[in-house]
Amino acid sequence: TQLLEQSPQFLSIQEGENLTVYCNSSSVFSSLQWYRQEPGEGPVLLVTVVTGGEVKKLKRLTFQFGDARKDSSLHITAAQPGDTGLYLCENNNDMRFGAGTRLTVKP
Amino acid sequence: GAGVSQSPRYKVAKRGQDVALRCDPISGHVSLFWYQQALGQGPEFLTYFQNEAQLDKSGLPSDRFFAERPEGSVSTLKIQRTQQEDSAVYLCASSPSPWGTPTDTQYFGPGTRLTVL
Repeated sequence: TQLLEQSPQFLSIQEGENLTVYCNSSSVFSSLQWYRQEPGEGPVLLVTVVTGGEVKKLKRLTFQFGDARKDSSLHITAAQPGDTGLYLCENNNDMRFGAGTRLTVKP
Repeated sequence: GAGVSQSPRYKVAKRGQDVALRCDPISGHVSLFWYQQALGQGPEFLTYFQNEAQLDKSGLPSDRFFAERPEGSVSTLKIQRTQQEDSAVYLCASSPSPWGTPTDTQYFGPGTRLTVL
């Protein structure tokens, strides 16, 4: 089983700050997906990255896939309280998730 | 329907009782997944169906856990003789393509929160 490590585990910031969260693997991903989960709901897909070195932007969110396809990052610019949630990465090889980064954005 | 639905949303069981959790996937979706999510953790894979065939059940934690999807649509996850460590949120997801399609999207239901007393 391919192990996924997400960091940090918890992150609490003020509105307007920037942040980056990470997803690392012990081996190469074929493709990787980022989700956000809010309390009482299931995860919702944000993006899928497939190609090494790929960068995708979704409004204030920027997703990078490492050149070697063993790591990925999610950068949020000017965080807002609505960004609060659990951010999860998932290995599309085996549909396994990391433990997630729990983000809290304070107004 | 508009999305994946799960019922019940909340279930309280006494230790030793059997429970059945239902998942209604998006109509026409080939793939269906069950996950277990403990408090503060990411979802843990339990089992996968492609249509009515259960192709992977490697994540089921014990033989007390059983899942079925007899007609390739609705699925039921059954837990026999529940234990306190079974307390978790059980998530169901469906997707239109078979497992392994690189850009396929999983659509998750809201989950069933199971509490075993």
